[in-house]
Amino acid sequence: DIQMTQSPSSLSASVGDRVTITCQTSEYIRNPLNWYQQKPGKAPRLLIYDSSNLQTGVPSRFSGSGSGTDFTFTISSLQPEDIATYYCQQFLTFGGGTKVAIK
Amino acid sequence: EVQLVESGGDLIQPGGSLRLSCAASDFTVSSNYMSWVRQAPGKGPEWVSVIYRGGNTYYADSVKGRFTISRDNSKNTLYLQMNSLRTEDTAVYYCARWAYGDNDYFDYWGQGTLVTVSS
Repeated sequence: DIQMTQSPSSLSASVGDRVTITCQTSEYIRNPLNWYQQKPGKAPRLLIYDSSNLQTGVPSRFSGSGSGTDFTFTISSLQPEDIATYYCQQFLTFGGGTKVAIK
Repeated sequence: EVQLVESGGDLIQPGGSLRLSCAASDFTVSSNYMSWVRQAPGKGPEWVSVIYRGGNTYYADSVKGRFTISRDNSKNTLYLQMNSLRTEDTAVYYCARWAYGDNDYFDYWGQGTLVTVSS
């Protein structure tokens, strides 16, 4: 089974900061890599699909990139409403998550 | 507007059984790849089971032989029958549409239903 390792597991940043999260897979993947945001008590929300495509209605400060085994998720300017846990996913496997807090 | 509404979660003793339901509106369950995804307290999402449009079913190793996914097309409802429940099955269970073959993402989710397995 392909393992998906997210880093960091948590981070704290100031409003307006650029935030970057990485997702590394244990082997080269050809399946699309997707990113989700989850707020407490809510279901995950799809933000980015196929590494870099923004889901409809998602603010443009969110972006993604990468291929093969290394993928990156970026929030260009952190907003208070972005406080959440972010997960990568490929096929039927999710990463361990990155909890984003405001400093 | 697409809506998925889960129900059936409860406090249940180890070894017990429970059936979860996921009622869909503005959305045809049988025309989609439908999954159950669970999330244990403080953990990330974990895929549990999927039913393909054609009816094939697949399960995570952790639930194989104990859980059964099914659907009732007349009721437009997805089910998860859970038998021989263990404490490690404690989680919020979500039903979700899996866009298999179309970037493989989960785009529509229910609100979740809590299953607590404890004596």
